[in-house]
Amino acid sequence: GAGVSQSPRYKVAKRGQDVALRCDPISGHVSLFWYQQALGQGPEFLTYFQNEAQLDKSGLPSDRFFAERPEGSVSTLKIQRTQQEDSAVYLCASSLKGGKGRAYNEQFFGPGTRLTVL
Amino acid sequence: AQKITQTQPGMFVQEKEAVTLDCTYDTSDPSYGLFWYKQPSSGEMIFLIYQGSYDQQNATEGRYSLNFQKARKSANLVISASQLGDSAMYFCAIHFSGSARQLTFGSGTQLTVLP
Repeated sequence: GAGVSQSPRYKVAKRGQDVALRCDPISGHVSLFWYQQALGQGPEFLTYFQNEAQLDKSGLPSDRFFAERPEGSVSTLKIQRTQQEDSAVYLCASSLKGGKGRAYNEQFFGPGTRLTVL
Repeated sequence: AQKITQTQPGMFVQEKEAVTLDCTYDTSDPSYGLFWYKQPSSGEMIFLIYQGSYDQQNATEGRYSLNFQKARKSANLVISASQLGDSAMYFCAIHFSGSARQLTFGSGTQLTVLP
């Protein structure tokens, strides 16, 4: 079965360039999350969508980071004027609509996009 | 502030032995869910086991079990009969009901299984 897919898997950008990272969630999953994972660290929350609505963007580190999910399925994370500190793996995850228990709260992760800013 | 702590940056275990990976958390929220994920060097996050805060029994999934002590706010992962393929980074994560539903992760434990 199709899981969460992300593209590209690897991205090298020169400092100052804009990048766009894509996430295709599992079909039917209402919730979509973006996380940033620095080397040797746990993932950190960036933003959350329920369908097309961005309900929480409190984890976005600066206004250079922007995410959208216009039709409630595919999502794009855009980073403008990339900086070296943006180098990380960007993980996308999807889950069913909220409720109690594992079935509703388990997040399925994509393979991530490794961004390197030179 | 809600926080999750994994105090073991690295652990070694002999093949076929059992190992316990520690996880403690700090929250005043009465309702939450605990997850353990495995992340091999290839990078994907693989779900291992889930424990709800109101679940009466400790969760088990094959060779994985949770030693859940709610009063002590700990949720240690026990891997029995370790295999070489278990070598990976292991993350404890919590979903708090009062949050916007994101997972909060610990810093991880790098497990190495020795032949």
